Amino acid sequence: TQLLEQSPQFLSIQEGENLTVYCNSSSVFSSLQWYRQEPGEGPVLLVTVVTGGEVKKLKRLTFQFGDARKDSSLHITAAQPGDTGLYLCAGARGGADGLTFGKGTHLIIQP
Amino acid sequence: EAGVTQFPSHSVIEKGQTVTLRCDPISGHDNLYWYRRVMGKEIKFLLHFVKESKQDESGMPNNRFLAERTGGTYSTLKVQPAELEDSGVYFCASSQEGGRYNSPLHFGNGTRLTVT
Repeated sequence: TQLLEQSPQFLSIQEGENLTVYCNSSSVFSSLQWYRQEPGEGPVLLVTVVTGGEVKKLKRLTFQFGDARKDSSLHITAAQPGDTGLYLCAGARGGADGLTFGKGTHLIIQP
Repeated sequence: EAGVTQFPSHSVIEKGQTVTLRCDPISGHDNLYWYRRVMGKEIKFLLHFVKESKQDESGMPNNRFLAERTGGTYSTLKVQPAELEDSGVYFCASSQEGGRYNSPLHFGNGTRLTVT
């Protein structure tokens, strides 16, 4: 049973379009992180959200943590080919040292 | 600053052999984590060191896996004897301060292990 479900698994869109990827769980997380991973490299942290309902912006990327701290979304405005990559969400739970990862969303932005 | 480095980047071994993976965290980072991604699955936590002490090893699959961090600097993860299901990408990550994810987690590029 997967604790963090990411959707969609794959997304291919044209440059300039907007998109949203989702990270859902039935469990509550104390914080949630979003990473981006390129082929052959490790995940790189984009943002950490901690408070229910929190919204953080990173240029054209908007991250939101659900009010109940069970889900999160990543919205990209006017996607660029440089946004192509694997986007991973990962949650931290009380009493556990390790992060719980989702399987990721493979995003391709076509020029 | 140099990032988290892992060696080797790739390893192909036969079932029953032994492999040792190495991770050099960012200098000064007390927290060191090992994670693994098996093909088709999500990245999963293996264990967490604070300096040389194992803080949490609840994710270690079985006793064929042994992690060490002597002196609190680099860490090794040994698999002995390796089985086919051990194939995957092993990631190491480090962070500076104590407290769960209070400071950013930096990942290495991983070691891709193939057991044939």
